[in-house]
Amino acid sequence: SQQGEEDPQALSIQEGENATMNCSYKTSINNLQWYRQNSGRGLVHLILIRSNEREKHSGRLRVTLDTSKKSSSLLITASRAADTASYFCATGLSGGYQKVTFGIGTKLQVIP
Amino acid sequence: EAQVTQNPRYLITVTGKKLTVTCSQNMNHEYMSWYRQDPGLGLRQIYYSMNVEVTDKGDVPEGYKVSRKEKRNFPLILESPSPNQTSLYFCASSLRGGRYFRNEQYFGPGTRLTVT
Repeated sequence: SQQGEEDPQALSIQEGENATMNCSYKTSINNLQWYRQNSGRGLVHLILIRSNEREKHSGRLRVTLDTSKKSSSLLITASRAADTASYFCATGLSGGYQKVTFGIGTKLQVIP
Repeated sequence: EAQVTQNPRYLITVTGKKLTVTCSQNMNHEYMSWYRQDPGLGLRQIYYSMNVEVTDKGDVPEGYKVSRKEKRNFPLILESPSPNQTSLYFCASSLRGGRYFRNEQYFGPGTRLTVT
């Protein structure tokens, strides 16, 4: 079963608007990472948030983590057409596991 | 340039014909992993390797084999491909694996496989 579930699965916004994507997971995790994928290409790491952190910023990205709700959100502020891509959360399970689970992703379209 | 390479990038084959997809990284990473990506299902982990000669199953290992004889290489073997293995495959590596999942993964460009 999928550990991470992104919501919404697709999002279309105008350039300059903010985009928010959510990720929910089912079991306890250590850390959570967000990745970006341009159409059909390899994923690129965006940001890591540790399980003891609640919020993290990197440039126009803001990630939050709520371990009590088993959810994370990725906010992209002042979006640009170049932000058009799919975004995935990835989790590594706590307890010494090396498996990595990705969600099904949010496809973001930023309209110029 | 630090990178993960995969070959071939595109492959069309027939059911039952054994094939190998190669993956190589030049970053001296310990952890390597294979994923498949299918529409509506996201990325699913097939196999991963913590280091040389240490491999383990991911979520969808059926029909696949891997080996890790050298640190830089992690080939994916399909002994008898079937049409349900038609997918986009990604190899990835990170400095280390492990319980804290604190290392980013570097992805290869992908291999688009079609099995007829």
